[in-house]
Amino acid sequence: DIQMTQSPSSLSASVGDRVTITCRASQSISSYLNWYQQKPGKAPKFLIYAASSLQSGVPSRFSGSGSGTDFTLTISSLQPEDFATYYCQQSYSTLITFGQGTRLEIK
Amino acid sequence: QLQLQESGPGLVKPSETLSLTCTVSGGSISSSSYYWGWIRQPPGKGLEWIGSIYYSGSTYYNSSLKSRVTISVDTSKNQFSLKLNSVTAADTAVYYCARRGYNYAGVVYYYYMDVWGKGTTVTVSS
Repeated sequence: DIQMTQSPSSLSASVGDRVTITCRASQSISSYLNWYQQKPGKAPKFLIYAASSLQSGVPSRFSGSGSGTDFTLTISSLQPEDFATYYCQQSYSTLITFGQGTRLEIK
Repeated sequence: QLQLQESGPGLVKPSETLSLTCTVSGGSISSSSYYWGWIRQPPGKGLEWIGSIYYSGSTYYNSSLKSRVTISVDTSKNQFSLKLNSVTAADTAVYYCARRGYNYAGVVYYYYMDVWGKGTTVTVSS
């Protein structure tokens, strides 16, 4: 199975900051990389597919990049509602795997 | 709009079988190109994909759970179900059902879990 590793595991930042979360795959997955946001007690929300394509309705302050094994999720200017846990997920294989998550906390 | 709703017992005894159902509303489970999946999240931990099913019955399972998992579909009821046998405390989690949506980029398909149920908590305890 393809292993997905996110870094950092947690991150403290302030409203207005620019933050970047990294996701690394154990083998090349081309651009088959998705990102999700999860708030406490809620189901994950789908944000980005194909490494860099925003799902409809997702604010443009979110962006994704990368291909092969290394990917990033960037939030250009943090808003209060962005504090959550973020997961990457590969769809290269039919056997889906998620990263362990990155918890984004208010500084 | 499409909605998914998990249902089933919230408490299961060790060694018994966990059984959950996901009811799809606002759309047909038999729509072509969509798979339907189960994902779980142990308390305080990350997301773990369990498996996915197509309306025809074709399935994919997580390698680490494959020996204990069965996912089935009932198109007449617009539902799909999860059975996980021989459960232990390690199977305590919030269980989500979700749709595998897609985007066709002219040459390739990109797949993602775009519609999720709210989740149901299952505790394994005697």
